[in-house]
Amino acid sequence: NAGVTQTPKFRILKIGQSMTLQCAQDMNHNYMYWYRQDPGMGLKLIYYSVGAGITDKGEVPNGYNVSRSTTEDFPLRLELAAPSQTSVYFCASGDLGSGTYEQYFGPGTRLTVT
Amino acid sequence: GNSVTQMEGPVTLSEEAFLTINCTYTATGYPSLFWYVQYPGEGLQLLLKATKADDKGSNKGFEATYRKETTSFHLEKGSVQVSDSAVYFCALSGRGGAQKLVFGQGTRLTINP
Repeated sequence: NAGVTQTPKFRILKIGQSMTLQCAQDMNHNYMYWYRQDPGMGLKLIYYSVGAGITDKGEVPNGYNVSRSTTEDFPLRLELAAPSQTSVYFCASGDLGSGTYEQYFGPGTRLTVT
Repeated sequence: GNSVTQMEGPVTLSEEAFLTINCTYTATGYPSLFWYVQYPGEGLQLLLKATKADDKGSNKGFEATYRKETTSFHLEKGSVQVSDSAVYFCALSGRGGAQKLVFGQGTRLTINP
């Protein structure tokens, strides 16, 4: 199993540009999450999904959009990049029906908006 | 809302020293509690967890006990190694729903040989 994969690893955007951060998991998990990690801070939840076709906002959703057309993929879209979106983005998945409560994290995407 | 407060870092210790990283939480109901570890350049990995009061989570020599009376989940290890150098995050999730995690700010630990 590859686990949770994210692309790209690094990206520099200009203000106002758009991009999609890709996330895929091969563990057949129903639950998927997007977090951002700002320097010296913990992770904050942006969006999450409890299954294909179902998404919901987390703590900091403004400026982002998501979709979940398949169990495996959960892309995060930035429509009009702003410097405040400079951060490290982590995707995670979990199979909470198994009772393990564990979330599995990808390696992250480091995004800089200038 | 739910929140987690962690001991501020960075923390620097010598090899074989005793480690404690403090974590306290505020939550409604009975959350599950976690410690995640992030090694340089990697994503987070679950280190240990506890899902009810008085549970002790343990893994790789690390331990933490769910203390409801003090709303704490302190991480301890009796003898740290250089390979334990990482950032440690305390987190909680509420019961039911999508088990969304709320994280503390992280504590950077450096172990010197």
